[in-house]
Amino acid sequence: DQQVKQNSPSLSVQEGRISILNCDYTNSMFDYFLWYKKYPAEGPTFLISISSIKDKNEDGRFTVFLNKSAKHLSLHIVPSQPGDSAVYFCAASDGNNDMRFGAGTRLTVKP
Amino acid sequence: GAVVSQHPSWVICKSGTSVKIECRSLDFQATTMFWYRQFPKQSLMLMATSNEGSKATYEQGVEKDKFLINHASLTLSTLTVTSAHPEDSSFYICSASSDGGYTFGSGTRLTVV
Repeated sequence: DQQVKQNSPSLSVQEGRISILNCDYTNSMFDYFLWYKKYPAEGPTFLISISSIKDKNEDGRFTVFLNKSAKHLSLHIVPSQPGDSAVYFCAASDGNNDMRFGAGTRLTVKP
Repeated sequence: GAVVSQHPSWVICKSGTSVKIECRSLDFQATTMFWYRQFPKQSLMLMATSNEGSKATYEQGVEKDKFLINHASLTLSTLTVTSAHPEDSSFYICSASSDGGYTFGSGTRLTVV
């Protein structure tokens, strides 16, 4: 039962352009969403989060948008840099605080 | 795609007892498995990294005698919480890595009463 879906396994973007990573969820009880970034040979690190009471959260080059009616969130990276190349995981948690992860999207930012 | 099965999905145990959580890679061989603990509304905390056939590497502050990790095969790793106490109640998640891929399990909610 995949409650959090990242339908794009990979994304390639030119340096300086915007990267948009998408995530869909099915459980309407999810109220907190997170994005993690993972480099090869390292564990995932927390990047940015958003509560369901908001529809946008911004931190530097990273912005997460939440559309509750569509059960969809996205991560925007502007401008994209080669160092952003990594696998990005979307995660969602419900009132029990149990987290569910998507399958990840591999972002490649070309110089 | 790659699937990691984690069991049980939830468990309630009495204080002082031990609980074993299993993490299996169903359609691939996982050279490395990771165990995380999740705190409410917070990021994941990496507890330990295990490679098949060798001892797990524990993160600083994680008691290796309390959280026993076994990675006996390329498809199975187990986490045993020994002499569990209410403060060990949490959500535990495993992940498996192979050939650059990285897949999370579905997690285990542990409640110690």
